[in-house]
Amino acid sequence: DIQMTQSPASLSASLGETVTIECLASEDIYSNLAWYQQKPGKSPQLLIYYANSLNDGVPSRFSGSGSGTQYSLKINSLQSEDVSIYFCQQNYDSPPTFGGGTKLELK
Amino acid sequence: EVQLVESGGGLVQPGRSLKLSCLASGFTFSNYGMNWIRQAPGKGLEWVASISSSSSYIYYADTVKGRFTISRDNAKNTLYLQMTSLRSEDTALYYCARQRNYYDGPVFDYWGQGVMVTVSS
Repeated sequence: DIQMTQSPASLSASLGETVTIECLASEDIYSNLAWYQQKPGKSPQLLIYYANSLNDGVPSRFSGSGSGTQYSLKINSLQSEDVSIYFCQQNYDSPPTFGGGTKLELK
Repeated sequence: EVQLVESGGGLVQPGRSLKLSCLASGFTFSNYGMNWIRQAPGKGLEWVASISSSSSYIYYADTVKGRFTISRDNAKNTLYLQMTSLRSEDTALYYCARQRNYYDGPVFDYWGQGVMVTVSS
């Protein structure tokens, strides 16, 4: 199985700040990478697919980048509603696998 | 509006069985692959099983293969997960999730609210 490693595991940032979350795959996943946001007590929601394509309705302050084994999620101008756990997931090979998550809190 | 509503969870003893359902609405259910994904308390996400739109292709995680069965009834807009020989490590919140489209593979664009399964004596 492809292992997905996220960093950091937790992150504290201030309103308006820019935040970056990293995701490392154990092998090349050819940009088949999705990002999900899970707000407290809620189900995960798709933010980004194919590494850098924004899902419908997702604010433009979210962006994704990367290739090969290294990917990142960037949140510009952090808002209070962005407090969540963020997960990356590879959809290149079966089984689809998720990163361990990054918990984003407000400072 | 796309809605996925899971049901059938609860407390069950180790070794027993349980069947989860997921009722879909707001989209043409028969056009989409569907999945079960679980999240143990305080833990990350684990994909469990997937089924293609016409049930032609079915896949399972190794951790549940031989014990869980995914199925669907397109006439009833319902996805199922039959779980047998349950273990304590199957304790989790089980989500039903829609696959965004066939071409992207397992990218999950809509999730249900989840249903809790607790395996304990």
